[in-house]
Amino acid sequence: GESVGLHLPTLSVQEGDNSIINCAYSNSASDYFIWYKQESGKGPQFIIDIRSNMDKRQGQRVTVLLNKTVKHLSLQIAATQPGDSAVYFCAENTGFQKLVFGTGTRLLVSP
Amino acid sequence: DTAVSQTPKYLVTQMGNDKSIKCEQNLGHDTMYWYKQDSKKFLKIMFSYNNKELIINETVPNRFSPKSPDKAHLNLHINSLELGDSAVYFCASSQLLGNTEAFFGQGTRLTVV
Repeated sequence: GESVGLHLPTLSVQEGDNSIINCAYSNSASDYFIWYKQESGKGPQFIIDIRSNMDKRQGQRVTVLLNKTVKHLSLQIAATQPGDSAVYFCAENTGFQKLVFGTGTRLLVSP
Repeated sequence: DTAVSQTPKYLVTQMGNDKSIKCEQNLGHDTMYWYKQDSKKFLKIMFSYNNKELIINETVPNRFSPKSPDKAHLNLHINSLELGDSAVYFCASSQLLGNTEAFFGQGTRLTVV
């Protein structure tokens, strides 16, 4: 039978635009969150993290926002570049000594 | 220097065979993991080890047996390979269990035919 809801969501943007990738996490007890970037043929690469005592953290061209009320995490990429094209994953530490990954979002950046 | 390295990068084998994937990290981390990524890109933890001791076994079939000879190495041995084992397997390491970033290897693409 056909798998339901397992197609990778895709966000298509133009070079120079700002990108926002969203993630809904599952466990209200999760206290640590990470965004990873995975390019084709490579392993996931750390982008930015945030702990549950914060609601915003900024890096170079990236910002992570955490809304614990609705269990939502977002990654904002400023001035998106073609090199940002990849699959992006959020991951949460659920308190069981492991990182649980979300389903991923594919970001496509057009020149 | 590669932080987390795993070999081989590609592995094609027949059903029923036994194969191993090796992983080494030079980051001095105490914790190592194996993750499986399916064709839909979903990443799921299989095992975690802390200082050579098994911490997490996520209901993985017992055909999969991790071995950690020291805290810098975590190898994955798979017996009686099945078609459904085809996936990309990632090794990772972190300083703490689950509460710091994990560094991933490049992955091993296993194809069972």
